Amino acid sequence: DAGVIQSPRHEVTEMGQEVTLRCKPISGHDYLFWYRQTMMRGLELLIYFNNNVPIDDSGMPEDRFSAKMPNASFSTLKIQPSEPRDSAVYFCASSLRETGNTIYFGEGSWLTVV
Amino acid sequence: GDSVTQMEGPVTLSEEAFLTINCTYTATGYPSLFWYVQYPGEGLQLLLKATKADDKGSNKGFEATYRKETTSFHLEKGSVQVSDSAVYFCALSDPFRGSTLGRLYFGRGTQLTVWP
Repeated sequence: DAGVIQSPRHEVTEMGQEVTLRCKPISGHDYLFWYRQTMMRGLELLIYFNNNVPIDDSGMPEDRFSAKMPNASFSTLKIQPSEPRDSAVYFCASSLRETGNTIYFGEGSWLTVV
Repeated sequence: GDSVTQMEGPVTLSEEAFLTINCTYTATGYPSLFWYVQYPGEGLQLLLKATKADDKGSNKGFEATYRKETTSFHLEKGSVQVSDSAVYFCALSDPFRGSTLGRLYFGRGTQLTVWP
């Protein structure tokens, strides 16, 4: 079975540019999460969706970050404009309520802003 | 609020040594507890989980027992291998919080390095 699919795997961009990260959750899952991982702060939950609806975006750092889930099989995390401090690994994850809270992670998008 | 505290690393062991990584938690309700593992350059993978007190999760020789009286979920393995080198994350999910069902609270992670 296909897992959570993220793209791009690696992105290097210049400060001020727009970055769009993409995620395809596991088919049938009703929760989708965006996490950010850095050495300084560890794993941080940015936002999560239930049935395509944003439930909690309190972890989104600031207005430069936005996330959408237009349908059950696709989500984007956008940073505009990007800054060097946004450099991190961004993970998308999904879960199904009935499977007892087990969350499945994608392989991550490694973002470097120079 | 809900939180997880795990021992800081790095942990360095020789092959076949015994491993313990401590994890304690704070939760409002009756959480499910998890250990995730992250190999270099990869995403997190579920290693094991336990959903109620006294449950023991196990996988690939790793074990952890849900201890409600000590609010702990320590990870153990009797004989580690070089291939176990990774970062290990303890996490909890607290269904008491209703709509946050499925949300995980992670510890900071513990880096394990096993030498041959």
